[in-house]
Amino acid sequence: SQTIHQWPATLVQPVGSPLSLECTVEGTSNPNLYWYRQAAGRGLQLLFYSVGIGQISSEVPQNLSASRPQDRQFILSSKKLLLSDSGFYLCAWSEGSGKMNTEAFFGQGTRLTVV
Amino acid sequence: AQKITQTQPGMFVQEKEAVTLDCTYDTSDPSYGLFWYKQPSSGEMIFLIYQGSYDQQNATEGRYSLNFQKARKSANLVISASQLGDSAMYFCAMRELNAGNMLTFGGGTRLMVKP
Repeated sequence: SQTIHQWPATLVQPVGSPLSLECTVEGTSNPNLYWYRQAAGRGLQLLFYSVGIGQISSEVPQNLSASRPQDRQFILSSKKLLLSDSGFYLCAWSEGSGKMNTEAFFGQGTRLTVV
Repeated sequence: AQKITQTQPGMFVQEKEAVTLDCTYDTSDPSYGLFWYKQPSSGEMIFLIYQGSYDQQNATEGRYSLNFQKARKSANLVISASQLGDSAMYFCAMRELNAGNMLTFGGGTRLMVKP
């Protein structure tokens, strides 16, 4: 069966510090991968999505970046965090089959607080 | 423009009653899929139900059903016989064929079930 791992669960970082959040998927190959951010009590904002190794699409210009060094690994990074980067970050995957009815499966999320 | 609009930031429902959560969408793509997710206070995202744009019948999954009105571009979630455990955030999402594999979410509705 497929599983998705996202870590860490919580993170407190000072302004200006770097960030690295990692997400890995097991039990599938060539998944579509997503990074979302959710502000407190708000909806999910799509940050990045990837359909393959090295293929990253950015939806929102910001000081965050994403990389996919391996087929089932998706990393969210920042060189210098801003206060506005605080939020709940969710990694997700869906089958890369292109079928419309494939739902996305989410990790447990990382609650990031920038202080 | 918003692709997915959920106009009800919060809703109350009495236990054992039915409730409808609204979702309208905007697309010119004839092929698309609509999803509903539940997010309890733990933060996990739970897939509930799917409706394809070409599906002739409204989707149903246990106590969840989707009132799909294609001409109005609405896909409202109906929860029958509400339970206390239904208290959560609910998100509507859409995938468009011509937008690759992106899954775009609405702002969510917080449902609170009263005993």
